[in-house]
Amino acid sequence: AQSVTQLGSHVSVSEGALVLLRCNYSSSVPPYLFWYVQYPNQGLQLLLKYTTGATLVKGINGFEAEFKKSETSFHLTKPSAHMSDAAEYFCAVSDLSGTYKYIFGTGTRLKVLA
Amino acid sequence: GAGVSQSPSNKVTEKGKDVELRCDPISGHTALYWYRQSLGQGLEFLIYFQGNSAPDKSGLPSDRFSAERTGGSVSTLTIQRTQQEDSAVYLCASGNPTGGTGTDTQYFGPGTRLTVL
Repeated sequence: AQSVTQLGSHVSVSEGALVLLRCNYSSSVPPYLFWYVQYPNQGLQLLLKYTTGATLVKGINGFEAEFKKSETSFHLTKPSAHMSDAAEYFCAVSDLSGTYKYIFGTGTRLKVLA
Repeated sequence: GAGVSQSPSNKVTEKGKDVELRCDPISGHTALYWYRQSLGQGLEFLIYFQGNSAPDKSGLPSDRFSAERTGGSVSTLTIQRTQQEDSAVYLCASGNPTGGTGTDTQYFGPGTRLTVL
């Protein structure tokens, strides 16, 4: 069965500092991986996804993630945090058993300090 | 184009009452998903509709939960005899699975916040 682990339910960074949000997955087959962001009282918005091909994926708002098969990781990074990045971030893997439902991590709430 | 819409945005009900939550997916999307987001449980899959196929109900937590999708478009999630543990945000998503793979992006609505008193 597939699963997703996000280390750190809360992460705080200073404005302008590097953002690193960790995601590890478990899958017996090549996974399809997603990062979503959720702002307060809003739905989830896709940041980026990895399906096949280039392992470094660039998304919106300056975020990127690298798929590392050997480490079963898909960590999300941004070189310089902005106050507007404060939100909750979810890593997800697509269930390949037929429904393609998402299996989500528990989320990481990012706080950006002025 | 319009995104996924959900109504109501907030619902407060008394324990034991039935509630209906509505989802309008993006036009043309064949797949529709319901998820539940609750404290301590994170985001959980509830049910999946794909075209005219039988839905995947494997995530529904009890037989008090049911869902329909009429005409391949609008979906209604019904919770009967609500319990306090049903309090959560219910999110709907739609998409178009591409070529039978899992690469499809799901587009989420803003959710319905359900509070059971």
